[in-house]
Amino acid sequence: DAGVTQSPTHLIKTRGQQVTLRCSPKSGHDTVSWYQQALGQGPQFIFQYYEEEERQRGNFPDRFSGHQFPNYSSELNVNALLLGDSALYLCASSLGAGRSETIYFGEGSWLTVV
Amino acid sequence: AQSVTQLGSHVSVSEGALVLLRCNYSSSVPPYLFWYVQYPNQGLQLLLKYTSAATLVKGINGFEAEFKKSETSFHLTKPSAHMSDAAEYFCAVSALTAGTASKLTFGTGTRLQVTL
Repeated sequence: DAGVTQSPTHLIKTRGQQVTLRCSPKSGHDTVSWYQQALGQGPQFIFQYYEEEERQRGNFPDRFSGHQFPNYSSELNVNALLLGDSALYLCASSLGAGRSETIYFGEGSWLTVV
Repeated sequence: AQSVTQLGSHVSVSEGALVLLRCNYSSSVPPYLFWYVQYPNQGLQLLLKYTSAATLVKGINGFEAEFKKSETSFHLTKPSAHMSDAAEYFCAVSALTAGTASKLTFGTGTRLQVTL
């Protein structure tokens, strides 16, 4: 049973560029969330997708956008990259959007902005 | 609003000693609480979760945590540390209010070092 898979695992971008990160949820899961984890910090919630709609958003600017496809996979897009966007981006999946469901995380995508 | 405070960014124990990682929460609604572990260059793995059933929760790898409402705490313990326990540990609270989806709010993490 494949868990949450993310791609790419590492990438380097230049300030001002745009980046797209991809996530496939665990088999059977329909809800995808994205988190940003800066070095030495805990993950911060970016947003969550369920039924192809953004259901909740954290305190991130509009430069961060996302999409969920009919097969439940998801993309995270970041425009006009800043040096401060350098972080580990984690995708998490779950079944439904209740509080008690187990949320599974992928290995993450390491983004370095230079 | 929900928040989590992890006391101690670094904890060092000897192999075989008790592990105690502290977590205090703040929540405007009854909380669901989680402990995750992150090994170097890896994602997060769920250790255990509290979902308003038993207050003493047992997880994987010999870890357990006790929910104490009066102290707003959810400390993680393991009776005997093993070298393989060296990792970053995150406490998290789940937030769900009417009309919104759930999300996890994490603490800043505690790095556990295990020495011989």
